[in-house]
Amino acid sequence: EAQVTQNPRYLITVTGKKLTVTCSQNMNHEYMSWYRQDPGLGLRQIYYSMNVEVTDKGDVPEGYKVSRKEKRNFPLILESPSPNQTSLYFCASKKWEGMANTGELFFGEGSRLTVL
Amino acid sequence: GDSVTQMEGPVTLSEEAFLTINCTYTATGYPSLFWYVQYPGEGLQLLLKATKADDKGSNKGFEATYRKETTSFHLEKGSVQVSDSAVYFCALSAGTYKYIFGTGTRLKVLA
Repeated sequence: EAQVTQNPRYLITVTGKKLTVTCSQNMNHEYMSWYRQDPGLGLRQIYYSMNVEVTDKGDVPEGYKVSRKEKRNFPLILESPSPNQTSLYFCASKKWEGMANTGELFFGEGSRLTVL
Repeated sequence: GDSVTQMEGPVTLSEEAFLTINCTYTATGYPSLFWYVQYPGEGLQLLLKATKADDKGSNKGFEATYRKETTSFHLEKGSVQVSDSAVYFCALSAGTYKYIFGTGTRLKVLA
């Protein structure tokens, strides 16, 4: 079954304690991306990756890091989480189309993070 | 910069009512337009899309037409069901590596 898998699905942590949210896809997609969803703000892009070792900032990258060492995995790293990073996070992937961007984004089920 | 504006919710309808959720956009170039749906506790999934002006996307009884002259992509369904209760997101991609999403509109359909 084609899917994007995120872990953990739920996490409560404390300020400053480093954490990683993993994302893995089994569709051989080149493009992967992280979003955060907040009430009244919709989805905002954090980082995206066009392929292995190629990443770039989205609209809200502050406080986050990513890496893309393998095609299937795109972890999101919070080096020193703060309460304003409490949010619902989604990973998504799609087949790379260059500049066309007409294709479907496939989303994971989300990871709800609470930073105390 | 590019942006998407969609009507605020929640929208509450009775079963079999007509649904319209408004979406307008601002973009340079020629964006592709999308509607995604998020059911409770799940990730977003593509509902329909249109990639050029005057295209009509359709799926599961939902329709939206890409109107370049009014920069709109309104979502419509003739007869909603309880199972359509979800959050609906309008989105665009305008030739960059980014997708821009609206704030989402929550739909609740009552039996």
